[in-house]
Amino acid sequence: QKEVEQNSGPLSVPEGAIASLNCTYSDRVSQSFFWYRQYSGKSPELIMSIYSNGDKEDGRFTAQLNKASQYVSLLIRDSQPSDSATYLCAVNFGNEKLTFGTGTRLTIIP
Amino acid sequence: ETGVTQTPRHLVMGMTNKKSLKCEQHLGHNAMYWYKQSAKKPLELMFVYNFKEQTENNSVPSRFSPECPNSSHLFLHLHTLQPEDSALYLCASSPRKGPYEQYFGPGTRLTVT
Repeated sequence: QKEVEQNSGPLSVPEGAIASLNCTYSDRVSQSFFWYRQYSGKSPELIMSIYSNGDKEDGRFTAQLNKASQYVSLLIRDSQPSDSATYLCAVNFGNEKLTFGTGTRLTIIP
Repeated sequence: ETGVTQTPRHLVMGMTNKKSLKCEQHLGHNAMYWYKQSAKKPLELMFVYNFKEQTENNSVPSRFSPECPNSSHLFLHLHTLQPEDSALYLCASSPRKGPYEQYFGPGTRLTVT
């Protein structure tokens, strides 16, 4: 059973601080990793993709991948109230689909 | 979000009704997906279509019937649903099936009474 695990939260972070979201997965045969943001009542929105070990930065977002330890994380710098949402981690295990975690609810406190 | 559209956005139907959900993607992709999202549960993949061919049916009950007439359009036909089928139904597309990013439509909020 290929699984993606996330802490459901809620994770509360003061405005301006760094929010750190973590995701672990069960199988080393994994090819691609994605972070989605989902506002309440809305659909998931792709914010980051990462395919190889290391860091990938895009604006205030940094994705970090460590395949040996089987985790992927998302850092949000200078957190804003508009970052308050549920963040979904998705992994492709070398098959035709993405496996999603249950998501971490993030709240940025003004 | 505007790359993938879904209609209707909200649907209330009785258990004996028949209705259809529609999805259209304007991204030039070749793979399309139906997901079900219920409260407190991970996204559940229902169906995968790649170049109009169904490549996965994730043990979905036969009261859900997908149709993919071309790579840009995807339908989900609903009949004789149960109250537990109430959920957000999401359509997504990707360049093709496999380790590629998927883009979601806004979803249809379905309530079965």
